[in-house]
Amino acid sequence: DGGITQSPKYLFRKEGQNVTLSCEQNLNHDAMYWYRQDPGQGLRLIYYSQIVNDFQKGDIAEGYSVSREKKESFPLTVTSAQKNPTAFYLCASRKREPSHEQFFGPGTRLTVL
Amino acid sequence: AQSVTQLGSHVSVSEGALVLLRCNYSSSVPPYLFWYVQYPNQGLQLLLKYTSAATLVKGINGFEAEFKKSETSFHLTKPSAHMRDAAEYFCAVSGGSNYKLTFGKGTLLTVNP
Repeated sequence: DGGITQSPKYLFRKEGQNVTLSCEQNLNHDAMYWYRQDPGQGLRLIYYSQIVNDFQKGDIAEGYSVSREKKESFPLTVTSAQKNPTAFYLCASRKREPSHEQFFGPGTRLTVL
Repeated sequence: AQSVTQLGSHVSVSEGALVLLRCNYSSSVPPYLFWYVQYPNQGLQLLLKYTSAATLVKGINGFEAEFKKSETSFHLTKPSAHMRDAAEYFCAVSGGSNYKLTFGKGTLLTVNP
């Protein structure tokens, strides 16, 4: 079955450490996205990539970094510069015409201790 | 620029009653509109989408939504609520060449027996 996988499901990090969240898709989608979800705030866009080896900042990119070396993979690194990293992180990929709908992974819950 | 406003962060209905979740949007280009559902600690699942075809859109699980351009609205309805409908619902708008999604803050639906 095609879909999006995210790992790990739960992640704990000490303050000052960088951590990388994995996102893999086998839907053959070109575009991929990372969102952060906090209670009562909906989803906010961190980074997105429309093609391999290219990516753009979203609305809240500070303290995060990404890479897109393969079509299937779009890992997100939460750096020590991110002041409040505890959140639920969702990865998505986008279908092409006609609807351009986004498909979401199951999410990673990051907790900073 | 685009934005989404979901009226009511929490809606409570009785089982069998009408469900109405409100969404108003703002977009400088013809919008694509989506409703997603999220169960606790899971990713988002697409309920339905509007992509400039029929203004009344039917989705999964008996939900439907009507696109009203004059009111800039895309309200979600279901004639008869079921216990399994209890979840958080997000309205989202997409437009422009990068098809970024902008989400509302979500509405938590509670269904009472």
